[in-house]
Amino acid sequence: AQKVTQAQTEISVVEKEDVTLDCVYETRDTTYYLFWYKQPPSGELVFLIRRNSFDEQNEISGRYSWNFQKSTSSFNFTITASQVVDSAVYFCALSAAGGAGSYQLTFGKGTKLSVIP
Amino acid sequence: GAVVSQHPSRVICKSGTSVKIECRSLDFQATTMFWYRQFPKQSLMLMATSNEGSKATYEQGVEKDKFLINHASLTLSTLTVTSAHPEDSSFYICSARDLGNGYTFGSGTRLTVV
Repeated sequence: AQKVTQAQTEISVVEKEDVTLDCVYETRDTTYYLFWYKQPPSGELVFLIRRNSFDEQNEISGRYSWNFQKSTSSFNFTITASQVVDSAVYFCALSAAGGAGSYQLTFGKGTKLSVIP
Repeated sequence: GAVVSQHPSRVICKSGTSVKIECRSLDFQATTMFWYRQFPKQSLMLMATSNEGSKATYEQGVEKDKFLINHASLTLSTLTVTSAHPEDSSFYICSARDLGNGYTFGSGTRLTVV
């Protein structure tokens, strides 16, 4: 069975601070995908990143960066110089990979980030 | 990129009535769609997996007679909440597996049953 753990329920930071959101996963699949989504108060899910399990290269996109470590089954997300617009709930998710099967996403419980001006 | 259109975005209905939520993939064919339910301050819980042309697969604890899912075409899946009650009030969101092996989500439907 797959499992995604986001131990941080809520985080508050002051604007311009850096913040890291933790994600630890469990899976028996040899290949899998990891995702991060942002859910602002309006409710829609905004896709941030997808990482394949065989690609452990860290990624940076503007103020966002992701650290994938297979050895610790972690896929952490860092926001640099946080802004008020970053306030949202962030979900880490996991799915099996390969082919066009009906692979469902398993979500973590989410981390609510509040950036205080 | 891939777009999934979900309607309505918000609906209020009376207890005992039925509500239909539509989810359309606009620029790709979605063989598989997923329906999630999200209670306030909680994560997304998968309700069912919908495959085009076949019966949906429901997660444990989800009443298939209450939450009717139809996936009659490669671009449309519907979720009907039958005989809705206040406890069915929730945020419902669909997603489709897109061509790039990612998942595209609809914008969600906030259902309030009064």
